[in-house]
This record gives sequence, C-alpha cells and structure tokens, in this order.
Amino acid sequence: AQTVTQSQPEMSVQEAETVTLSCTYDTSESDYYLFWYKQPPSRQMILVIRQEAYKQQNATENRFSVNFQKAAKSFSLKISDSQLGDAAMYFCAYRTLGGSNYKLTFGKGTLLTVNP
Amino acid sequence: SAVISQKPSRDICQRGTSLTIQCQVDSQVTMMFWYRQQPGQSLTLIATANQGSEATYESGFVIDKFPISRPNLTFSTLTVSNMSPEDSSIYLCSVEGGRVGELFFGEGSRLTVL
Repeated sequence: AQTVTQSQPEMSVQEAETVTLSCTYDTSESDYYLFWYKQPPSRQMILVIRQEAYKQQNATENRFSVNFQKAAKSFSLKISDSQLGDAAMYFCAYRTLGGSNYKLTFGKGTLLTVNP
Repeated sequence: SAVISQKPSRDICQRGTSLTIQCQVDSQVTMMFWYRQQPGQSLTLIATANQGSEATYESGFVIDKFPISRPNLTFSTLTVSNMSPEDSSIYLCSVEGGRVGELFFGEGSRLTVL
C-alpha cells in the first residue's frame, strides 16, 4: 500500500520569504500522480499543484513550485514570496495512475504560519 | 470547478445516535467521495458513491456503520450510525474535477460526539 509522509507538522515563514514543505512517499508503482492540497482555516480544501510522475519537469503554478525527485520518492513544495493568505494546512497526496482506483492517499499535513 | 454544499456544518451528538450528512453538488458528477478527517490526522477515504449502485467502502469502513445514499447525480448522504466519541471528526464530501486527482471539497461537517 502507498504511504505519504510529511515530516514537518508545523512550519513558519516571514511574509515575502520562501518556504519549502517536505513530502516523501512510498510506492511500488512506476507511474502515479502527486498533489499538494491547501486547507485554509475555513476548512475547504483546494488543489495547489499537481505532478504526473512520468513527467520529469517540475510543476509550477505561479508562486508555487515542486521539487520532484522520483528516485528518492520525494515531492517538496516551495512557496515563494509568501503571503498572509498562504497560511493554511498543506497536505501532500498520492494517487495511482489509472484503473478504477480513485483513492487519494494523504499525508498528515503541515501547518504553515505566515508572519507579517 | 464544482461548488459543493454540505449540511450540517457542525453538530454535537449524543453517543448511540445517528446523524445524516448531506452533500449537494452544483453539477452532475459520476462519483462522489466521502472522507473523514480525525482531529490532528489526515484525510481518510470512507467510500466512493456512484449513482445507481452500491457504494464502495474502503478497508476499515462498513456499510452498517456508514450507510451512503446516492439518489441522483448531484446529491449524496452519509449517515454515521450508533455514534461513539471516536466518531468525532470532520466529514468531507468531494468530487473529482476535470483533471485526474483534482478533487473539489465541501466545507465539511464537524461532528462532536459526547
């Protein structure tokens, strides 16, 4: 079974600075998807960024980028120019590539605080 | 994108009672997913609900405890039966968007069982 580990329960960053959230995963599959989800205090989860494992290029969405190291099974999220609105719980998640298994496996999350 | 509404947003329940959570989506979707988020824990998939068929439950979750209805393509309910304090959690409804793995979530239903 796949597992997702987020080793940082909490992180903090100064506004306008850069922060990196760590995620490692364990799988025997060669192709899969990885995600970072954000859960602000209002609790509605939203997708931040998505990476397909068969693509070597790291995904980027505006101030959010990932460092995907497939051999190391590492998938970190970098937030540049941090803003107060980035404060949230961040979850790393894994999904198998296809078939009928639609399940996402989530890590335990990292609570990010942004200090003004 | 999809807009998902859940009711109730929160509730306090007595041990041994049951509560039904409703999930309404603003568009027709094939599958709806129910997740549980226990305090300080990650999200765990309870079951996948398809319209017109029985829900598919994940390991550790059973229909008698978490019966699910899916009467049409925009609505689903999850019942938490015979509740105990261990059932105190946030229950989240979600649907998949246009891209694989892109889930849209409701705001969740926070249940506290006394």
